[in-house]
Amino acid sequence: QSALTQPASVSGSPGQSITISCTGTSGDIGNYYLVSWYQQHPGKVPKLIIFEVTKRPSGVSDRFSGSKSGNAASLTISGLQDEDEANYYCCSFAGSGHVIFGGGTKVTVL
Amino acid sequence: QLLLQESGSGLVKPSQTLSLTCTVSGTFISSGAYSWSWIRQPPGKGLEYIGYIYHTGRAFYNPSLKSRVTISIDGSKNQFSLKVNSVTAADTAVYYCARVGDAYRFDYWGQGALVTVSS
Repeated sequence: QSALTQPASVSGSPGQSITISCTGTSGDIGNYYLVSWYQQHPGKVPKLIIFEVTKRPSGVSDRFSGSKSGNAASLTISGLQDEDEANYYCCSFAGSGHVIFGGGTKVTVL
Repeated sequence: QLLLQESGSGLVKPSQTLSLTCTVSGTFISSGAYSWSWIRQPPGKGLEYIGYIYHTGRAFYNPSLKSRVTISIDGSKNQFSLKVNSVTAADTAVYYCARVGDAYRFDYWGQGALVTVSS
């Protein structure tokens, strides 16, 4: 199975909102409400920021929100801040114990 | 506090076997409440799911790696392990161990271990 499709890069100015798309298939995103998102700063460990499409772990800013429609999911970062500059990865359960990650999106704060 | 720590050989020769262990502290992996996974990231590239294992020993693998990968668990040592056979340069990556929480979320991660495949 191929990786989920994400844009290579997204940019925005401080205070703006940006949305990262994550496109899969009816076998993964389209069939399960089990999408998660990870933030990874350069040289650091990935951090869970969204799970089960819309839920945030304790301690994660409410500026991060997730959604899903059909075979695609999205991560929105509102009130963009310098610290949000990082790589973001979507992830979906794909059945039979299989999990797929997206290729990653580099977010740049202008 | 839950902590995971990878350990193992940082340099492996082509065609040989890559072996890593993840030591978990702060919980008992044999409790059965969670499963335990391996994820890797080649230099400058994205994350790739390798597989995960339950406390029972039942494991699931990425279909693209299944023929070369084995994940095992040792509850008495609170550790789980990864073996990748017949490695090539394409297996060079930072290897992370992570807990699999509810809804297939990877909620706790180790610091990662760089494994380089080179002669």
